[in-house]
Parts: sequence; structure tokens; C-alpha cells
Amino acid sequence: NAGVTQTPKFQVLKTGQSMTLQCAQDMNHEYMSWYRQDPGMGLRLIHYSVGAGITDQGEVPNGYNVSRSTTEDFPLRLLSAAPSQTSVYFCASRIAGQRNSPLHFGNGTRLTVT
Amino acid sequence: AQTVTQSQPEMSVQEAETVTLSCTYDTSESDYYLFWYKQPPSRQMILVIRQEAYKQQNATENRFSVNFQKAAKSFSLKISDSQLGDAAMYFCAYRGRRYDSGGSNYKLTFGKGTLLTVNP
Repeated sequence: NAGVTQTPKFQVLKTGQSMTLQCAQDMNHEYMSWYRQDPGMGLRLIHYSVGAGITDQGEVPNGYNVSRSTTEDFPLRLLSAAPSQTSVYFCASRIAGQRNSPLHFGNGTRLTVT
Repeated sequence: AQTVTQSQPEMSVQEAETVTLSCTYDTSESDYYLFWYKQPPSRQMILVIRQEAYKQQNATENRFSVNFQKAAKSFSLKISDSQLGDAAMYFCAYRGRRYDSGGSNYKLTFGKGTLLTVNP
């Protein structure tokens, strides 16, 4: 079991560029999500999905798109990168519908937008 | 909306001693889940302990235990016999049981974290 795998680990973008952060899990988890972590802010939810074909917005969705075509994959797209999107991004998954199931996190992607 | 507050940005403890990290939360829900996560310098997010609100018994995991006070909306983490490997950022987090679009079950609300230093 690899768990939750995120790629890349580090990325530097110029303002206006687009890119996709990849996330894959091999635990057959229905629920997947993306968080961003900024200093002094904790982690904030960007988007989430409760199954293939179903996505919804979190707290800070602007500037990001997601899709969920398979149970395993949940990519996060930055359409036109801005310096405000400099952050550490975490993908996380869990079993849906099970009481108290914890989130399993990937190792994060550190993104810098210049 | 739910909020989670960790009032101690930084704490320090001597190796082998005990330390308690504070967490309070605000919610109108009666059933929910609470978590503590640890983030060492490696950046990995590691689950430390979890608690279900309807269970009155405090959760324990080896050297880690919680003091869950539902009426006070308090969820503190106690680390006994602190070890150098316990040094990390600790996050308290809340998840509710609302299943509507954007509902509290679909979001883990985090506090801002407490940075724990362990002194040898």
C-alpha cells in the first residue's frame, strides 16, 4: 500500500502559468480532498470529492479546478498561477460513511509562484 | 461555522516530562469528531489520536491521551514521557456530521497549530 501519493514534491511557477498537482490513492477511499497550508493559518480546504464524478468547493476554491474521473485520482489544476497561491498543498483521503474515519495525507507539494 | 482555536503558538517541554496542548472549538452540532495531527519537519501529517463526541471516555494512544470536555468544548492533548521525536507542529481538528453540500462532515477544520519543542 503506497497510501496517498502526491507529485511533484516541489514546483516553481511564474505568474500566469498553469499546472496540475497530481494525487493518487490506492486504498479505495471514496472521499478525497485538497488542502493548502500557509504559515499561521493551519490547513484550509480547497475542494473535495465524495466519489467519481462528484466534486464540491471548500473554503478557498478560487483559482483552482478539480475533477474526479476515477476513484483513485484527484488532480488539482491551477489555471493561472498567482503569487497568493504560493503554499504547501496536501491531498488527503478517507473512507466515506464510516464513523470517525481519519484523513490520510500525502506528503505535500511545496509550490512557489514568482 | 465551526472554528478551532489553539491558544498556544509555541510550547516547550523537557525530555521525559509531560506537556499538555490546549484546543477549544465552537460548534452548534451535538455529534462530531475531534482529531490531533502531528507535523514533524518532514512535513508529513500524522494522526496522533481521535475522539468521538458521543463517547465520554477520553481516548488514549500509548503516551498520548486527551482530556475531552464536551460542555466546555475543550479537547486538550497530553503527551507523557516526552521524547525528542515528539518535537513537531501539532494541529487540533474538528469534523462534524452534516452531510449537505459543503457540510461539516466533508471538511476537517484545523486550528493554527502549536509548535512543540522537546529539550534534551
